[in-house]
Amino acid sequence: AQSVTQPDIHITVSEGASLELRCNYSYGATPYLFWYVQSPGQGLQLLLKYFSGDTLVQGIKGFEAEFKRSQSSFNLRKPSVHWSDAAEYFCAVGPNNAGNMLTFGGGTRLMVKP
Amino acid sequence: AAGVIQSPRHLIKEKRETATLKCYPIPRHDTVYWYQQGPGQDPQFLISFYEKMQSDKGSIPDRFSAQQFSDYHSELNMSSLELGDSALYFCASKGLPDAGELFFGEGSRLTVL
Repeated sequence: AQSVTQPDIHITVSEGASLELRCNYSYGATPYLFWYVQSPGQGLQLLLKYFSGDTLVQGIKGFEAEFKRSQSSFNLRKPSVHWSDAAEYFCAVGPNNAGNMLTFGGGTRLMVKP
Repeated sequence: AAGVIQSPRHLIKEKRETATLKCYPIPRHDTVYWYQQGPGQDPQFLISFYEKMQSDKGSIPDRFSAQQFSDYHSELNMSSLELGDSALYFCASKGLPDAGELFFGEGSRLTVL
């Protein structure tokens, strides 16, 4: 069975600091990996996705993620966090590139200190 | 650009009542997904439709049913509501050439008292 683990439930960083959100997955086949962001009262917005190829993928809003097969990880990074990045971030894995039947991690709530 | 529209945004019901949530996908999107997100929980996939036919089924209770209509909008019907059904229900749509990306609505918050 597939599963996604986000070890950090809450993270607080200072504005301008770097950020790394951890995501580990368990999947029996080739994983299709996604990061979504959910702002308060908003729907989920896709930040980036990885299907194949270059293991470092660039997304919107200055985010990037690196796929490491050996570690079953797909960590999300941003070099310099902005106050508007405060939100909840979900890592997800799916069986194909269609984005359906996603299994989400538990989410990491990011707070940004001024 | 048009987004996924969900209605109502908020709904309060009592136990054992029924509720219907509606989802209007992005124009020309033919695939709709329903997710349930309980308080403090991650979204759970419920069911999906492609071209008005059910395509995948997740953890949708038997008390729930859904369908997609000829105009591609979808409705999630929930009967015999339980307290545990209180959640945020997301609808998402997808359509070529955006394959691989789901566009989520803002969700319908159901509160069961």
